Amino acid sequence: EAQVTQNPRYLITVTGKKLTVTCSQNMNHEYMSWYRQDPGLGLRQIYYSMNVEVTDKGDVPEGYKVSRKEKRNFPLILESPSPNQTSLYFCASSFVGSGINLYFGPGTRLTVT
Amino acid sequence: RKEVEQDPGPFNVPEGATVAFNCTYSNSASQSFFWYRQDCRKEPKLLMSVYSSGNEDGRFTAQLNRASQYISLLIRDSKLSDSATYLCVVTAPAKIIFGKGTRLHILP
Repeated sequence: EAQVTQNPRYLITVTGKKLTVTCSQNMNHEYMSWYRQDPGLGLRQIYYSMNVEVTDKGDVPEGYKVSRKEKRNFPLILESPSPNQTSLYFCASSFVGSGINLYFGPGTRLTVT
Repeated sequence: RKEVEQDPGPFNVPEGATVAFNCTYSNSASQSFFWYRQDCRKEPKLLMSVYSSGNEDGRFTAQLNRASQYISLLIRDSKLSDSATYLCVVTAPAKIIFGKGTRLHILP
């Protein structure tokens, strides 16, 4: 089954404790991206990757890191999480082309206390 | 002007009615247009692409007006299961921009 998986789905952590949210897709998509979704602010792009070893900042990259060592994986790293990073995070992937059909993962609900 | 704007709603519509909402975009170089649907606390899913000629998928019709820079979504004979948030998505060179969404509640 074609899918994007994220882990963990729910995470409660404390300020400053490094964490990684994993994202994996099995569709051989070149493009992968991370979004955060907050009430009233909609989906905002954090980082994206057009292919292996190619990553770029989105609209809200501060406080986040990513890597794309393999085509299928695109982990999101929070080196020192802060309460303002409490949010719902989505990973998405697609083929690169004019008709982008983004497949989203199920989301990770992160709470930083 | 925001890159992609949508009326946040909520639109409260009786079951069986027709509802339409628009989305405006500011970048005239925008290339592709989509409507996504998002149920509460779930991931967005592609509803339909939007073409200049307009396209229809069952009860759903999407249209693009490049001159006025807006896209629209029309839902006919609305069902309770249509209750969701509808996100407008616009792509420009090297960019995918999401609207904040329009909430739709279908009332029994």
